[in-house]
Amino acid sequence: NAGVTQTPKFQVLKTGQSMTLQCAQDMNHNSMYWYRQDPGMGLRLIYYSASEGTTDKGEVPNGYNVSRLNKREFSLRLESAAPSQTSVYFCASSVNRNTEAFFGQGTRLTVV
Amino acid sequence: GQQLNQSPQSMFIQEGEDVSMNCTSSSIFNTWLWYKQDPGEGPVLLIALYKAGELTSNGRLTAQFGITRKDSFLNISASIPSDVGIYFCAGRTSGGSNYKLTFGKGTLLTVNP
Repeated sequence: NAGVTQTPKFQVLKTGQSMTLQCAQDMNHNSMYWYRQDPGMGLRLIYYSASEGTTDKGEVPNGYNVSRLNKREFSLRLESAAPSQTSVYFCASSVNRNTEAFFGQGTRLTVV
Repeated sequence: GQQLNQSPQSMFIQEGEDVSMNCTSSSIFNTWLWYKQDPGEGPVLLIALYKAGELTSNGRLTAQFGITRKDSFLNISASIPSDVGIYFCAGRTSGGSNYKLTFGKGTLLTVNP
């Protein structure tokens, strides 16, 4: 059982480059989330999708866009990467918006 | 926005000792979750609490949902080296669109063999 799978695991970008972080879950969960984790800041919500076809901004959405491609997949796009977006990004999913979230292994992104 | 105060920030203990950490909030939560994160990995759910006053155990771990619904604690008994990691609390409010998880900043636990 793979759970939540994120790709890539590591990425280095130059300032201004774009990229998409991929996330897929095989647990038939309705809700999916993107978080970023920075030292001393804990986990902060970027965007979430309560159910297929819906997306909403979280705490720190600026500089990001998301797509809920289908029930399984939720992608995060950086259109023009900035050094401030250097972070570890986690995707998570939950049965619905009121249940516990399960996390992927993370994508470590460095923007130089 | 909602904030969780998690303490302590870090702990250094000897193997076999018991550990206690807690989270407090100025907001009322209807769910408390405790996660553990190993280096280079994503957070893994340890215990979920859904009812004020609830006390739940998972092996050597025990967590409680505070009566006021503004706090929660996690205890680890008889610590072992593999308990090393960062422990996060997370809370969720109820009603409307306020169902997003808010995370504490974590407690870094080091266990000396």
